[in-house]
Amino acid sequence: GAVVSQHPSRVICKSGTSVKIECRSLDFQATTMFWYRQFPKQSLMLMATSNEGSKATYEQGVEKDKFLINHASLTLSTLTVTSAHPEDSSFYICSAMRENIQYFGAGTRLSVL
Amino acid sequence: AQSVTQLDSQVPVFEEAPVELRCNYSSSVSVYLFWYVQYPNQGLQLLLKYLSGSTLVKGINGFEAEFNKSQTSFHLRKPSVHISDTAEYFCAVTMYSSASKIIFGSGTRLSIRP
Repeated sequence: GAVVSQHPSRVICKSGTSVKIECRSLDFQATTMFWYRQFPKQSLMLMATSNEGSKATYEQGVEKDKFLINHASLTLSTLTVTSAHPEDSSFYICSAMRENIQYFGAGTRLSVL
Repeated sequence: AQSVTQLDSQVPVFEEAPVELRCNYSSSVSVYLFWYVQYPNQGLQLLLKYLSGSTLVKGINGFEAEFNKSQTSFHLRKPSVHISDTAEYFCAVTMYSSASKIIFGSGTRLSIRP
C-alpha cells in the first residue's frame, strides 16, 4: 500500500511554455501533499505544502506565481511551472502523507531548452 | 530545531561485504526516524522507519537500523550488500507534533564494487 504516482517522468519543453506535473495517491487519500526540488547530488528542497481544498503553503524564496499548485481532490495534486526558463530545469518530486509517513513519487525530470 | 547529519557522503563497499551508513540527529522533542533510498533518476523509496517500540527495525531489501536515543543515532546496516544496492540513501526525521515537516540528511552515496 501507499503508492504515489507521478507523471510525467520526463519532460522537455521550450523556454516560455508551461508544464504541468501530476501527483496521485493511488491507494489512499491524502489531505496533504508536498512538492520538492532536487539539484544534482543534493538532498531534497521543500518547495511547498499542498492542502486539499485550500491554498498551498510555499517555502521562503519559492515564487508562487511561477510554481502553481492545485490540490483539487484527496488523491491529486498538480504543480504547474509557468513560463519555464532553463534555470527551472531540475528534478521535481512529490510526496503524499499517510499516517505520519511521507511516500514519494518517482520524480519528474524537467529540461527547459 | 531539528537537524540530521549523515557523516559519510560516499561509502564504497565490495559486494557481499557488510555496510553501515551513519546517521545522527539533533532534536529537543521526540521524533520519528526514517531511511529512504533513491535509485538514479527515481524518487525516494521508504526503506524503514522507527515510530515507537523496538529500537531495532527491519526494512526492505535486508536492511535494518537501530535507534539509539542516548547517542541520538539511527545507523543503517546490511550484513551483505549486492550490486543492486548502489544508490543514494537519505536519513530523515519528523517531529511527533508536526509529522508533515520532514528534515533530510545530506545523503550518502553507497557504491558497490564487484
